[in-house]
Amino acid sequence: DQQVKQNSPSLSVQEGRISILNCDYTNSMFDYFLWYKKYPAEGPTFLISISSIKDKNEDGRFTVFLNKSAKHLSLHIVPSQPGDSAVYFCAASFAGGTSYGKLTFGQGTILTVHP
Amino acid sequence: ETGVTQSPTHLIKTRGQQVTLRCSSQSGHNTVSWYQQALGQGPQFIFQYYREEENGRGNFPPRFSGLQFPNYSSELNVNALELDDSALYLCASSGGGTTSDTQYFGPGTRLTVL
Repeated sequence: DQQVKQNSPSLSVQEGRISILNCDYTNSMFDYFLWYKKYPAEGPTFLISISSIKDKNEDGRFTVFLNKSAKHLSLHIVPSQPGDSAVYFCAASFAGGTSYGKLTFGQGTILTVHP
Repeated sequence: ETGVTQSPTHLIKTRGQQVTLRCSSQSGHNTVSWYQQALGQGPQFIFQYYREEENGRGNFPPRFSGLQFPNYSSELNVNALELDDSALYLCASSGGGTTSDTQYFGPGTRLTVL
């Protein structure tokens, strides 16, 4: 049961344009969402997060949007740079239960930014 | 401030053997979570330790076990290794206390089981 899904395995964008990475989730209990970036041979690097009480959070070139009714979140990168080329994972967590703070990850989207 | 470190970087074992992976948490963090990342997949939660106690477990068999030490570093032990255990094992540390505490990952240990 894939509770967090990234349906696009890959995305190719021109330098300077906008990159939009999408993520869908099925568990309405999720209340905190994160995006991580991963380069080969490295661990995931935290990018940006959003709480379920918000619908938007910005940090520099990165903006995350949350649509709770659609159970959908997206990461916008503007402008895209070649150094942004990496695998992007969305992740979700919720309070309560026996796995407090457990992150559930999507499968990842490979972003390639062409010069 | 030191980030999350893991050792070893790479490891090759044969089926049936046992392995221990190590993780040092980021300074000031008291919670360590372990994840398994198979090729082409997202990381999957194994378990979490908070102040030396297991604080949640994912869908992994009992041959996956762990420890957390008083300095909040942690070990992941896997007994009776199987071929499917070949993966990248990631450790993440966080401040603990709320689900909104961001987890920061180490570089991972690449385990190959032959």
